Amino acid sequence: AQKITQTQPGMFVQEKEAVTLDCTYDTSDPSYGLFWYKQPSSGEMIFLIYQGSYDQQNATEGRYSLNFQKARKSANLVISASQLGDSAMYFCAMRVRDGANNLFFGTGTRLTVIP
Amino acid sequence: ETGVTQTPRHLVMGMTNKKSLKCEQHLGHNAMYWYKQSAKKPLELMFVYNFKEQTENNSVPSRFSPECPNSSHLFLHLHTLQPEDSALYLCASSPQWRGGTGELFFGEGSRLTVL
Repeated sequence: AQKITQTQPGMFVQEKEAVTLDCTYDTSDPSYGLFWYKQPSSGEMIFLIYQGSYDQQNATEGRYSLNFQKARKSANLVISASQLGDSAMYFCAMRVRDGANNLFFGTGTRLTVIP
Repeated sequence: ETGVTQTPRHLVMGMTNKKSLKCEQHLGHNAMYWYKQSAKKPLELMFVYNFKEQTENNSVPSRFSPECPNSSHLFLHLHTLQPEDSALYLCASSPQWRGGTGELFFGEGSRLTVL
């Protein structure tokens, strides 16, 4: 069974500072993908970044980077130069290559950017 | 605009009513999903359809009845619901995960309130 854990219910960050949102996962499948999604108050889930289990380098997408530590089974999201619009819920998710196409989510972290 | 459209955006119904949620995707994806998001709980995967066939039913009560007439449309039929079923219901679609990120694309959700 797959499990995603986000231990930070809420985080605060000063505008223009960097912040790290934690995510750990557990799976026995060697082939998996890790995702981060952002959910603003409007409700839609916005895909941010992806890391494959066999990717050698950490994923980056603009101000988002994923700190992937395979041995520790962690996939932390780093947001650099925080903006007020970054205030939202952030979800870590995992998918395994079992053909079922299922995506399992953590409980989320509410990020608040302080001006 | 993610290419996944959900209607209605808001729905209020009594426990004896019968209603349906609709999801439509214009992305050419083969997999479609229903998730339930309740307050202070992680996103719960409810149903998954791959190529119109249901491949996942995550122990969902029978008062929720999914229907996938084709790869572009997904319905969630609701009947005799309970107040604890009040939640945000999110629809998503994705390509088959054979390569690349295979991320899910989400609609904006249908906020359901059961009185």
